[in-house]
Amino acid sequence: EAQVTQNPRYLITVTGKKLTVTCSQNMNHEYMSWYRQDPGLGLRQIYYSMNVEVTDKGDVPEGYKVSRKEKRNFPLILESPSPNQTSLYFCASRPWGALLTDTQYFGPGTRLTVL
Amino acid sequence: GQNIDQPTEMTATEGAIVQINCTYQTSGFNGLFWYQQHAGEAPTFLSYNVLDGLEEKGRFSSFLSRSKGYSYLLLKELQMKDSASYLCAVCPGTYKYIFGTGTRLKVLA
Repeated sequence: EAQVTQNPRYLITVTGKKLTVTCSQNMNHEYMSWYRQDPGLGLRQIYYSMNVEVTDKGDVPEGYKVSRKEKRNFPLILESPSPNQTSLYFCASRPWGALLTDTQYFGPGTRLTVL
Repeated sequence: GQNIDQPTEMTATEGAIVQINCTYQTSGFNGLFWYQQHAGEAPTFLSYNVLDGLEEKGRFSSFLSRSKGYSYLLLKELQMKDSASYLCAVCPGTYKYIFGTGTRLKVLA
């Protein structure tokens, strides 16, 4: 089954404790992206990757890092989480080089709480 | 700046028709997307417009006017399962996506 998976699905942590949210897709998609979703603010793009070893900042990259060492994986790293990073996070992927009608496929989401 | 506006909330009756509007101001335009998102779930793709006009997909249609920076999503024969948030998103370039804050639709019996 074609899918985007994220782990963990739920996480409660404390300020300053480094964490990684994993994202994996089995569709051989070149493009992957991370979003956060907050009430009243909608989905905001954090980082995206056009292919292996190629990443760039979205609109809200501060406090986050990403890496793309393999095509299928695109982990989101919070080196020193803070309470304002409490949010619902989505990973998404889509084929690259295709028309934009090839829409993004979203993972199930990771609900992160930073105390 | 880049901005997408859509109403926060709408209510409609089962079996009716509802139109959800979206206006946008972006630095470029490479297509407009509509997504449906049920509470606590991931967004799922509904439609894509890049040229002016109407795209129809079953009970859902989406319209685009690039000169006006305007789109709408039309839902016909509303069902209870259509109660969800509807997200308007614009791709201003090739890599980025800008999302509106979403419209929460309540369908009443």
